[in-house]
Amino acid sequence: SSELTQDPAVSVALGQTVRITCQGDSLRSYYASWYQQKPGQAPVLVIYGKNNRPSGIPDRFSGSSSGNTASLTITGAQAEDEADYYCNSRDSSGNRVVFGGGTKLTVL
Amino acid sequence: EVQLVESGGGVIQPGGSLRLSCVVSGFPFDDYAMHWVRQAPGKGLEWVSLISGDGGSTYYADSVKGRFTISRDNSKNSLYLQMNSLRTEDTALYYCAKDSARGGFWSGYSDYWGQGTLVTVSS
Repeated sequence: SSELTQDPAVSVALGQTVRITCQGDSLRSYYASWYQQKPGQAPVLVIYGKNNRPSGIPDRFSGSSSGNTASLTITGAQAEDEADYYCNSRDSSGNRVVFGGGTKLTVL
Repeated sequence: EVQLVESGGGVIQPGGSLRLSCVVSGFPFDDYAMHWVRQAPGKGLEWVSLISGDGGSTYYADSVKGRFTISRDNSKNSLYLQMNSLRTEDTALYYCAKDSARGGFWSGYSDYWGQGTLVTVSS
């Protein structure tokens, strides 16, 4: 079982805004990072730290955090954003890493 | 250009052993901690293990602790995962991934990933 909890599936209309959430006790101490994974491909880091985007990630991706919940927001979702999204952070002990179960995003 | 290339996967019987390798290029290898992350077919990502940049500190998921050993050879820009007492539930695509933090720290975030090597444990 994962120490980070995500909704299994979320859908969004093309061009609209969607928020994907991640809950866990470790998020009270550590920031989450977010990964996008498309079928047959390796994960790609899209958000890390407080709200940082690696080079090449569109600015429609943003992150936020409050209490034990981290959120990934896509403002103006595009068809190419359809993918699985995973959060991760250190666990509560700080000595391991945990991933959420993943959220399948469908862009309608 | 950062590159991570895994190898060593294959089909192995339960109880067997396998050693995965990951050769990296494009960044100062000994400055970064490295991770192994796996993904069972049709399932989510599962963190497996982490090793510090100097190899002096290692960490494991409970599911593999005592069976898997992570190591690195900084002179060869290589990361390894020795997997013993393999179980059917270890069947997965194994990724090596670079931690994002430089120096003697690790963040838990992975900013570069390889394409993975497939391990199938089956009789």
